[in-house]
Amino acid sequence: QKEVEQNSGPLSVPEGAIASLNCTYSDRGSQSFFWYRQYSGKSPELIMSIYSNGDKEDGRFTAQLNKASQYVSLLIRDSQPSDSATYLCAVRKAGTASKLTFGTGTRLQVTL
Amino acid sequence: SAVISQKPSRDICQRGTSLTIQCQVDSQVTMMFWYRQQPGQSLTLIATANQGSEATYESGFVIDKFPISRPNLTFSTLTVSNMSPEDSSIYLCSVGGTLFYEQYFGPGTRLTVT
Repeated sequence: QKEVEQNSGPLSVPEGAIASLNCTYSDRGSQSFFWYRQYSGKSPELIMSIYSNGDKEDGRFTAQLNKASQYVSLLIRDSQPSDSATYLCAVRKAGTASKLTFGTGTRLQVTL
Repeated sequence: SAVISQKPSRDICQRGTSLTIQCQVDSQVTMMFWYRQQPGQSLTLIATANQGSEATYESGFVIDKFPISRPNLTFSTLTVSNMSPEDSSIYLCSVGGTLFYEQYFGPGTRLTVT
């Protein structure tokens, strides 16, 4: 079992729809969770972080965390073509200081 | 967040040679990290660059192959030694944030080994 799992996609959503990106992790003691956006040929850009169960909203982005189910998701409302990118889930495991473990990413395509 | 720069942005190198990648931050940071992203893959942590002490390497990465320096709180280098085509990858440095263990990435160095 991978430490951080994501569906590689591509996930295709029409412009204006809600994109839902999912991530599961194996270490129940994980404490910090991050979503990065990576455009082709560019480096990852941090877009959301979440540390406690529930929802965290920032503009069109909502991160959801369920530690009991070891599940974290990212919702993108009113998806735009500029949201087309690969979204990486990253997890900080307990006892690993600042080390992050990344999933393989989900490629999102927003169609016109 | 900090502004991070990397040099070179890309390079093409011959096998058997070495390349040193520089990472510069515009403010002092405690934690700096080096990652590798192979084509079509996710990020793999190579090592944590510790200021004033030896780097901490992840499983599968060794100091002889990837020596790292961290002379101060704003600068680090990663050397890829005795390169082979399998080392062709994007190398990224990142810095730790000030809040809750988030990390911010530099623009990356695209390395091709022929």
